[in-house]
Amino acid sequence: DAGVTQSPTHLIKTRGQHVTLRCSPISGHKSVSWYQQVLGQGPQFIFQYYEKEERGRGNFPDRFSARQFPNYSSELNVNALLLGDSALYLCASTLDRENQPQHFGDGTRLSIL
Amino acid sequence: GQNIDQPTEMTATEGAIVQINCTYQTSGFNGLFWYQQHAGEAPTFLSYNVLDGLEEKGRFSSFLSRSKGYSYLLLKELQMKDSASYLCAVRATGRKLQFGAGTQVVVTP
Repeated sequence: DAGVTQSPTHLIKTRGQHVTLRCSPISGHKSVSWYQQVLGQGPQFIFQYYEKEERGRGNFPDRFSARQFPNYSSELNVNALLLGDSALYLCASTLDRENQPQHFGDGTRLSIL
Repeated sequence: GQNIDQPTEMTATEGAIVQINCTYQTSGFNGLFWYQQHAGEAPTFLSYNVLDGLEEKGRFSSFLSRSKGYSYLLLKELQMKDSASYLCAVRATGRKLQFGAGTQVVVTP
């Protein structure tokens, strides 16, 4: 079975632009979460979606938004990009049961020039 | 909020044992996860603890004490391929994960 897939793998943008990152969860997983990971740090929680509804939001500005589609895939949108948005963006899916882990995709490496 | 602390780096030789400690403070505890992350790759799940005690999975074991806000990951019979960052993550009420900064384990010959 395919794991969590993310696209694109790498992206270069300039300040002020916007970006859309995509994620397809493992088949059967209805919950998707987004994380930002800067070099040398652990992933920081951005959003969680379950059944197309936002279940949780981390401490990120309103420039960050996301949505989940009926097929449980998800998009993360970031507007007015800043240099500090350069990071690895990870998507994770889960069966959303108590003892089930989140499974991560390989991430999108976003570089802002 | 949550605070999760783990050492920045640990070095050990091949065949040895290494213990990575993680302390946390959280309002509403709903499980602790350990992940392994090789450079440039996604985190991969290693273990899960929600009750006090030791969980063993082959060469890897994880321990939890909820009253002390403490966990450790024990890596036995270290191999070169175990060189990676090890992430401690706490799940609070609502199921979002809060990660520590990670512990870089360097295995030397």
